[in-house]
Amino acid sequence: EVQLLESGGGLVQPGGSLRLSCAASGFTFSTYVMSWVRQAPGKGLEWVSSISGSGGTTYYVDSVKGRFTISRDNSKNALYLQMSSLRAEDTAVYYCAKDLGGIIYDFWGLGTLVTVSS
Amino acid sequence: EIVLTQSPATLSLSPGERATLSCRASQSIRSYLAWYQQKPGQAPRLLIYDASNRATGIPARFSGSGSGTDFTLTISSLEPEDFAVYYCQQRSSWPPVTFGPGTKVDIK
Repeated sequence: EVQLLESGGGLVQPGGSLRLSCAASGFTFSTYVMSWVRQAPGKGLEWVSSISGSGGTTYYVDSVKGRFTISRDNSKNALYLQMSSLRAEDTAVYYCAKDLGGIIYDFWGLGTLVTVSS
Repeated sequence: EIVLTQSPATLSLSPGERATLSCRASQSIRSYLAWYQQKPGQAPRLLIYDASNRATGIPARFSGSGSGTDFTLTISSLEPEDFAVYYCQQRSSWPPVTFGPGTKVDIK
């Protein structure tokens, strides 16, 4: 059974940093592209970042380029999102999502809430 | 960036009725469209991918159609558990991956 479990969310001041983690199990982690998708309170879904199976290729939405870094440790079946220079508009639930193949998200974690506020 | 628009924003229907949800792309995305269902407090769930392929375990009352710029998600007969928000998502041209703003299906 595929499981994705995010952690690391919390309250952070504007300009601060936070590192999210996603622990994956139930599939061959290194084979799949993984992504982060966020959802601001009461809003829709927004793709944030994706990383290839090897970790060698990464993609970001323009609004987080230069501030967020996606990475993975295939030996630990773990996905990460290092977030810095956080802004109020980064406040959201952050979901870890597994790619079925070709940017189709077939499994999602439960999400972790990041709140950026002073 | 490909922009997706969904209509209507809210659809008020009764159990047993047919639901028809629309998603329109700002340019052709061939058949590279997925549909997700999200209930309050839950993660999204994949329903349909590549416009018309049901994901594993999705009931047959959910069907998708369309290509190019116009797509439809149809729920043939609403069950109580189908009242939720539905999002479309394109993968034809990325980054960025884009989602529509969602259609809420609520109980009339």
